[in-house]
Parts: sequence; structure tokens; C-alpha cells
Amino acid sequence: DAKTTQPTSMDCAEGRAANLPCNHSTISGNEYVYWYRQIHSQGPQYIIHGLKNNETNEMASLIITEDRKSSTLILPHATLRDTAVYYCIVRVRDGANSKLTFGKGITLSVRP
Amino acid sequence: DTGVSQDPRHKITKRGQNVTFRCDPISEHNRLYWYRQTLGQGPEFLTYFQNEAQLEKSRLLSDRFSAERPKGSFSTLEIQRTEQGDSAMYLCASSLSSGGAYNEQFFGPGTRLTVL
Repeated sequence: DAKTTQPTSMDCAEGRAANLPCNHSTISGNEYVYWYRQIHSQGPQYIIHGLKNNETNEMASLIITEDRKSSTLILPHATLRDTAVYYCIVRVRDGANSKLTFGKGITLSVRP
Repeated sequence: DTGVSQDPRHKITKRGQNVTFRCDPISEHNRLYWYRQTLGQGPEFLTYFQNEAQLEKSRLLSDRFSAERPKGSFSTLEIQRTEQGDSAMYLCASSLSSGGAYNEQFFGPGTRLTVL
């Protein structure tokens, strides 16, 4: 699986959009971009994934650059409950080797 | 609640003792994963099952660790002769694999192990 790089931390004000960047310059054509988050003392939670098109669900939007070497997770209206570690992971979606390879993630702090 | 459950949530043991953790996946999920997470790090893959079959084991899974999923439903992770370095959060996840595709993994709350 391709390696990803994320900033260590960032913060944003409650109610504002949180834009979390991720670089994955060595991503392969069949690798998807996944985002998970982990709230303190809980297991990771799936947020969203995409291949090359932008994706949106009830939790977030995922913007993938045209060359697929980077992406941004957008939380449109951050709340205090969005304070968590966010992990960007790239992996092949279809295959026998289905483990997730987590990095250290980015710690998002949402301030009141 | 139909999510992934893990038992116990916390375990404190003395060095050298054996411990066993249980994971109950989402009922229709055929894949089950174990991960370990130490403080300040992301989760690290240990092993996974498809139904009863253990298909992959990480090199992190020393011979003191053994995992089973005897009936393709719940799974157990046993650590023998625990060491202080085994102190970590042990996470279980499950997913549904159908054909060549699989869906996202759903994680349980984890078992926090402290070895004194």
C-alpha cells in the first residue's frame, strides 16, 4: 500500500469548515483513498473513501486532485465532537490483502 | 446494538500471566481483523480471518500470540507469558467480503491491556 503523509495537527473553530490534507504521491492506479477517524478511547470509525472522483456523504466530503497525488477531507461545519485523530490511508479495495495500514494521522482540535 | 463488541474493555495483568480477549463481529460479516495500538501511534495490523480461516499474520504476532475463530463468528486473541511491551489497546474490526470486493472495516471499542 502507498505511504501517506499528513500534518501532525491542526485546529479550527466550531462551526467552520475543517480541511484536512493528505499527500499520497506514490498512489497506484488501483488504490483508493480512505479516511478513518479515532475519537479518544474509541476504535477507529470509517468516514469516506474515493478513487478519483470527489465524494460526499453525511459525514464529510473528499476532494482528490486530478493527478491523485493528494486529497483533502472536508468537514463542512466542525463541532466539538469532531475533535479526533484523522487517518488517511491508501489501499487496494479489491483483494485478499485487506488490512489497513495506519500512520500517525492528524490530530484535529475543534475549539469553541 | 449491532456493532462490533469486545470483552473485556480493560485488563490488568502481571508479567508472565496469560490473557485472552474476545471479539464479536457484526453478525453477517465474514472477515475479522485484530490490530494493536500503542500510545501515540496508529493501529497496527496483527492478523485477519475470513470465516474460520486465518489468512494473514503480521510479523508482530510472535509465537506468544494466538488467534482463533473456530466457527467463523466470534474470535479470541490469547497472549501467553505477557510482557510489559504487550501493554496496548487491542482492536477488533469486521467487514463483509463478497466476491472480489470488500466493504469498509467497522471497529470495536478495543480492549486496553496493562501488563505490570
